[in-house]
Amino acid sequence: AQSVAQPEDQVNVAEGNPLTVKCTYSVSGNPYLFWYVQYPNRGLQFLLKYITGDNLVKGSYGFEAEFNKSQTSFHLKKPSALVSDSALYFCAGGDQGGKLIFGQGTELSVKP
Amino acid sequence: DTAVSQTPKYLVTQMGNDKSIKCEQNLGHDTMYWYKQDSKKFLKIMFSYNNKELIINETVPNRFSPKSPDKAHLNLHINSLELGDSAVYFCASSTGTSGRRDEQFFGPGTRLTVL
Repeated sequence: AQSVAQPEDQVNVAEGNPLTVKCTYSVSGNPYLFWYVQYPNRGLQFLLKYITGDNLVKGSYGFEAEFNKSQTSFHLKKPSALVSDSALYFCAGGDQGGKLIFGQGTELSVKP
Repeated sequence: DTAVSQTPKYLVTQMGNDKSIKCEQNLGHDTMYWYKQDSKKFLKIMFSYNNKELIINETVPNRFSPKSPDKAHLNLHINSLELGDSAVYFCASSTGTSGRRDEQFFGPGTRLTVL
């Protein structure tokens, strides 16, 4: 069965510090991987995706993600966190049936 | 300009009622989706349509019926509402036919509360 896992329900970071939100995947074939962000009472917004090519993918708002095939991971990173980055982050993978499988979400809290 | 819009934003209703949620996208996308987000924020796809044709139908009770009058609209009709239907429902759209590799654009959500 194909799956996407986010092992941390919550990540707490001080403003200005680097942040990492973890994601691991289990999909057959070539992995198509995504990160989305959800602000309170809003829909999801696309941040970045990995289809093929460079393992380091750059996205919106200064976020980037590193695809690691051997560790089956796609962690989201940002060098310097902002209070406004506080939100719910979802990792997702495309399965063979054409669907997006979402991880359970990680609540990022950035404190001043 | 709102890319993907949903109405209503909030819907409070009694068990047993029938209700509809409307979704429209002005992005010119070919594929539209309905997702359900439960109280634990878990997101699961319900349906996907491409050019008015159903392409994904997850294990959803047949009380839920999507309808796509044209490729810019995908409505969700729910019959005989149950307490467990309470959730936030998101509409989304994407270019192309692959929900697997194309980024999706989400609407603001409809919070359904069944009393």
